[in-house]
Amino acid sequence: EAQVTQNPRYLITVTGKKLTVTCSQNMNHEYMSWYRQDPGLGLRQIYYSMNVEVTDKGDVPEGYKVSRKEKRNFPLILESPSPNQTSLYFCASSSGEGGNEQFFGPGTRLTVL
Amino acid sequence: GQNIDQPTEMTATEGAIVQINCTYQTSGFNGLFWYQQHAGEAPTFLSYNVLDGLEEKGRFSSFLSRSKGYSYLLLKELQMKDSASYLCAVMDSNYQLIWGAGTKLIIKP
Repeated sequence: EAQVTQNPRYLITVTGKKLTVTCSQNMNHEYMSWYRQDPGLGLRQIYYSMNVEVTDKGDVPEGYKVSRKEKRNFPLILESPSPNQTSLYFCASSSGEGGNEQFFGPGTRLTVL
Repeated sequence: GQNIDQPTEMTATEGAIVQINCTYQTSGFNGLFWYQQHAGEAPTFLSYNVLDGLEEKGRFSSFLSRSKGYSYLLLKELQMKDSASYLCAVMDSNYQLIWGAGTKLIIKP
């Protein structure tokens, strides 16, 4: 089954404790992206990757890191999480530019205390 | 700056028709997407418009006017399961998606 998976789905952590949210897709997509979604603000892009070893900042990259060592994986790293990073996070992938739809993972609900 | 506007919330009756509008101002245009998102779930793709006109897909249709920077999503024969948020997103000249905040659609029996 074609899908994007994320882990963990739910996470409660404390300020300053490094964490990684994994994202994996099995559709051989070049393009992958991370979003955060907060009430009233819609989806905001954190980072995106056009292909292996190519990553770029989105609209809200501060406090986040990503890597793209393999085509299928695109982990999101919070080196020192803070309470303002409490949010719902989505990973998405697509086959590239143009009118190709993005496929979203199920989401990770992160709470930073 | 880049901006996508859509109503925050709409209410409609089961069996009726509802139109959700989206206006945009972006740096370039490479298509407009509509996604559906049920509460707490991931967005799922509904439609894509890159040329002016109406695209019909079952009970859902999407319209685009590039000269007016305007799109709408039309939902017919509303069902309770259509209660969800509807997200409008425009792909700009750099092929990046600019997202609206979403329209929460409430369906009443």
